[in-house]
Amino acid sequence: RKEVEQDPGPFNVPEGATVAFNCTYSNSASQSFFWYRQDCRKEPKLLMSVYSSGNEDGRFTAQLNRASQYISLLIRDSKLSDSATYLCVVNNPYNQGGKLIFGQGTELSVKP
Amino acid sequence: IAGITQAPTSQILAAGRRMTLRCTQDMRHNAMYWYRQDLGLGLRLIHYSNTAGTTGKGEVPDGYSVSRANTDDFPLTLASAVPSQTSVYFCASSEGLGLAGAGANVLTFGAGSRLTVL
Repeated sequence: RKEVEQDPGPFNVPEGATVAFNCTYSNSASQSFFWYRQDCRKEPKLLMSVYSSGNEDGRFTAQLNRASQYISLLIRDSKLSDSATYLCVVNNPYNQGGKLIFGQGTELSVKP
Repeated sequence: IAGITQAPTSQILAAGRRMTLRCTQDMRHNAMYWYRQDLGLGLRLIHYSNTAGTTGKGEVPDGYSVSRANTDDFPLTLASAVPSQTSVYFCASSEGLGLAGAGANVLTFGAGSRLTVL
């Protein structure tokens, strides 16, 4: 089982739609969780950190479920500019150097 | 603008040649990382450095070496390139080591170096 797993998609949605991505992680001791966004042929950039109580940033909502070991990202009122790959990132506290583990990414395509 | 600079942006290299990818950050971050990204495999950690003077192996270190002589620079060297090292390489840095505190874990990436080994 991979440490961090995501549905690769692609998710093809119309503008204005609500779309949700899930990401599961295997290490129950993980403490830090993030969603990164990566545009085609560009570097990943932090979209938002994921906090235990859940957090919202405009149209984006992130949730953490420790019991089931998954995090989610909800995008409301999708825009064309939301088209990108969304990477789930989780820390593994037992790895020396505290490395962050990346999921394979979920591709989102928002169509007019 | 503060951030990470990688060079070269892209390179075509003959197999067997030595190649060094350069990475410089101006944020005074303690930790630096090298990842490679391949289609279907996502980002995989090659080497990391917790602080100047120390380095460690990541998930896929074979065929690569790094050094961290100072805080700002973290070059990645391919001693004898092979076609399987064709990839996009990203350098990244973070304030901390990913052990505590979400803020310390946040990675800032360079724009990437696209390497093709023939």
